[in-house]
Amino acid sequence: EAQVTQNPRYLITVTGKKLTVTCSQNMNHEYMSWYRQDPGLGLRQIYYSMNVEVTDKGDVPEGYKVSRKEKRNFPLILESPSPNQTSLYFCASSRQGNTYNEQFFGPGTRLTVL
Amino acid sequence: LAKTTQPISMDSYEGQEVNITCSHNNIATNDYITWYQQFPSQGPRFIIQGYKTKVTNEVASLFIPADRKSSTLSLPRVSLSDTAVYYCLVGERGSGYSTLTFGKGTMLLVSP
Repeated sequence: EAQVTQNPRYLITVTGKKLTVTCSQNMNHEYMSWYRQDPGLGLRQIYYSMNVEVTDKGDVPEGYKVSRKEKRNFPLILESPSPNQTSLYFCASSRQGNTYNEQFFGPGTRLTVL
Repeated sequence: LAKTTQPISMDSYEGQEVNITCSHNNIATNDYITWYQQFPSQGPRFIIQGYKTKVTNEVASLFIPADRKSSTLSLPRVSLSDTAVYYCLVGERGSGYSTLTFGKGTMLLVSP
């Protein structure tokens, strides 16, 4: 089954404790990205990757890191999480990085930073 | 990417037809119009895409007038399960685009 998986689905952590949210896709997609969704602010893109070893900032990259060492995986790293990073996070992938190509989203990761 | 404007929210009742309009005055010649649907606590999912005139699938219809400066997503006979946020995106088919902006979308609430 074609899908995007994220882990963990739910995470409660404390300020400053490094964490990684994993994302994996099995569709051989070139483009992968991370979004955060907050009430009243909609869906905002954090980072994206056009292909392996190619990453770039989205609209809200501060406080996040990503890497793309393999085509299928695109982990999101919070080196020192803060409460303002409490949010619902989505990973997505598509064949190419433009609106024409359908974006496939993961199930989401709800993060709470205390 | 062309800037889009859509209503923040809409209300409807079960069985009614719902039309959500998206304005995209600066749409470019090569741009396509794509709509996504997002249920609470789930990721958005693609529902329909078009370039001009009318496109219909099992979920919705998309109407695009000749000037393409707006588009209307039509949901026939909505049910409670159509309660969701609907996003309109406009962009071209070619490679090279980077940041994808979903914005706030339109929150559709369907009541009994």
